Amino acid sequence: GAGVSQSPRYKVAKRGQDVALRCDPISGHVSLFWYQQALGQGPEFLTYFQNEAQLDKSGLPSDRFFAERPEGSVSTLKIQRTQQEDSAVYLCASSLQSGDVQTQYFGPGTRLLVL
Amino acid sequence: AQSVTQLDSQVPVFEEAPVELRCNYSSSVSVYLFWYVQYPNQGLQLLLKYLSGSTLVKGINGFEAEFNKSQTSFHLRKPSVHISDTAEYFCAGFDGNKLVFGAGTILRVKS
Repeated sequence: GAGVSQSPRYKVAKRGQDVALRCDPISGHVSLFWYQQALGQGPEFLTYFQNEAQLDKSGLPSDRFFAERPEGSVSTLKIQRTQQEDSAVYLCASSLQSGDVQTQYFGPGTRLLVL
Repeated sequence: AQSVTQLDSQVPVFEEAPVELRCNYSSSVSVYLFWYVQYPNQGLQLLLKYLSGSTLVKGINGFEAEFNKSQTSFHLRKPSVHISDTAEYFCAGFDGNKLVFGAGTILRVKS
């Protein structure tokens, strides 16, 4: 595709359920990022991949959050035992290279609501 | 570590009027700054970026921003706004491998 795609676009989960959010980056993009955007706030960094390697996961808020990118393309963000405070928009971004400052291209996000 | 402050949460303006959205940053290392726009239910779209060189940066949709090192600012401007510019605007700095965003400014253009 032409841009970053994310699925599902909307997800409603009951508290305690596990959820999986998918990101398809732009083809050929080496770097992939996950951000969390709470209502009325700016996006906050969660984690970063260079190809299949997860180089930075300092932004993951708890051990209930887990991300993977096993083949260096599609990535999945998994949240176990969801809590109400996990309700947010989860944004995925990709960039062509790593190391230098590269423009990050964002997907439309997955809006997660935990009831 | 990089931090970014957007001083206004909302900016109302009439159509065809000029607008300035304010952004201040703090950093002890290299400065790379960005402005993104977010339309309702959409992802972030890059408006412009400053990496080095000329301090006046021109972006898409008629927006421009000026990097001011002495004032640690990177304010976004447009000389004449349209209704279609109504959106939320985010200033961001680059910190290591990640973007650090401000809280956002909602631009409301009124007819």
